[in-house]
Amino acid sequence: AQSVTQLDSHVSVSEGTPVLLRCNYSSSYSPSLFWYVQHPNKGLQLLLKYTSAATLVKGINGFEAEFKKSETSFHLTKPSAHMSDAAEYFCVVTSLNQAGTALIFGKGTTLSVSS
Amino acid sequence: GAVVSQHPSWVICKSGTSVKIECRSLDFQATTMFWYRQFPKQSLMLMATSNEGSKATYEQGVEKDKFLINHASLTLSTLTVTSAHPEDSSFYICSARIKASGRPWEQFFGPGTRLTVL
Repeated sequence: AQSVTQLDSHVSVSEGTPVLLRCNYSSSYSPSLFWYVQHPNKGLQLLLKYTSAATLVKGINGFEAEFKKSETSFHLTKPSAHMSDAAEYFCVVTSLNQAGTALIFGKGTTLSVSS
Repeated sequence: GAVVSQHPSWVICKSGTSVKIECRSLDFQATTMFWYRQFPKQSLMLMATSNEGSKATYEQGVEKDKFLINHASLTLSTLTVTSAHPEDSSFYICSARIKASGRPWEQFFGPGTRLTVL
């Protein structure tokens, strides 16, 4: 079965400092992996995706993630945090169920950014 | 493009009543729509997958008679919480997949509906 584990439930950084949100995955086949962001009262937004192409994936708003098969990791990074980055972040893996392709969400990491 | 709306955005109801939540794809046709449930400070849990014109596929542990899903058109799916109880209070989120996109993993999410059952 496919699953993702987000290693930190809460990360706090200062504005202008790097961001690292950690995610490990488990999959019985080559997975597709994603990071989504959820701002309060807004829909989930796709930050970036890995679908078996380049292992270093660049997303929106300066975020990027690197797929490391040997470490089964897909950590999300950003060189310099902005106040607007404060939100909930979800690491997601695809899974095949009887209905087709489904998304399995991690428990989420709350990113706080202080000035 | 690829906008998904939900209505209502929040609803409060009395215990024992039924509540209907609508999910619409505004600018694309969605052969498949998904319904998720999110408890406070927790992850999204897939409840069911809804294909247009056929019965929804429910995830294990989700009561199909409790959570009625209808996907009557390529742009509309509804979730009805029947005989709601306080434990059904949650944030319900839908998503939609574009028809014949060639990207089976791609889903566009609605803003969610907060249900509070008194």
